[in-house]
Amino acid sequence: AQTVTQSQPEMSVQEAETVTLSCTYDTSENNYYLFWYKQPPSRQMILVIRQEAYKQQNATENRFSVNFQKAAKSFSLKISDSQLGDTAMYFCAFIFAWDNYGQNFVFGPGTRLSVLP
Amino acid sequence: ETGVTQTPRHLVMGMTNKKSLKCEQHLGHNAMYWYKQSAKKPLELMFVYNFKEQTENNSVPSRFSPECPNSSHLFLHLHTLQPEDSALYLCASSQDSSTTAGGIQETQYFGPGTRLLVL
Repeated sequence: AQTVTQSQPEMSVQEAETVTLSCTYDTSENNYYLFWYKQPPSRQMILVIRQEAYKQQNATENRFSVNFQKAAKSFSLKISDSQLGDTAMYFCAFIFAWDNYGQNFVFGPGTRLSVLP
Repeated sequence: ETGVTQTPRHLVMGMTNKKSLKCEQHLGHNAMYWYKQSAKKPLELMFVYNFKEQTENNSVPSRFSPECPNSSHLFLHLHTLQPEDSALYLCASSQDSSTTAGGIQETQYFGPGTRLLVL
């Protein structure tokens, strides 16, 4: 079975500091994509960053970066210089199969991040 | 059965058909959600139900009609869909859909999704 685990239900960080959200997954697939999504109070999902499993280099996107450890099936998100607007629910997800009609997503349960002033 | 289940897992329908997607959660939650995930687009929230009452409808066309008969079941009725409605439809549930004073939601647990193809 394909599963995603986020072991930290809630986290908090002081503004301007760095925080790391953990994610582990289980799959027998060799080719897949990993994602971190942010869901602010508006509830609309925002793609934060993505990583192709076949790439060894960790993805970065401005203040967001990942530590992808394929052998350990670990995909953590680091947020640097945290801002109040980063307060949200963060979901880890991966796609293990796709075709012309869409993708099969597996989502973790989410980590609630609070950025404190 | 545990967690959140969705049926069918795959569905192919014509534009004149009527079909329904079903979601069931076995977690004792009170809130349920429908999301749409299209190719190359972000995940879109469609509907939110809290204690069987619809609390959010994010400008979804009327050809999508949700129904929540109880806190454990959520349906999405489909009629006269368009090819661009082909997507992965994900159901999720949480303890409730309220947010804290800081705007943080409850943890959501996602189902496996229904892959829909409209011909």
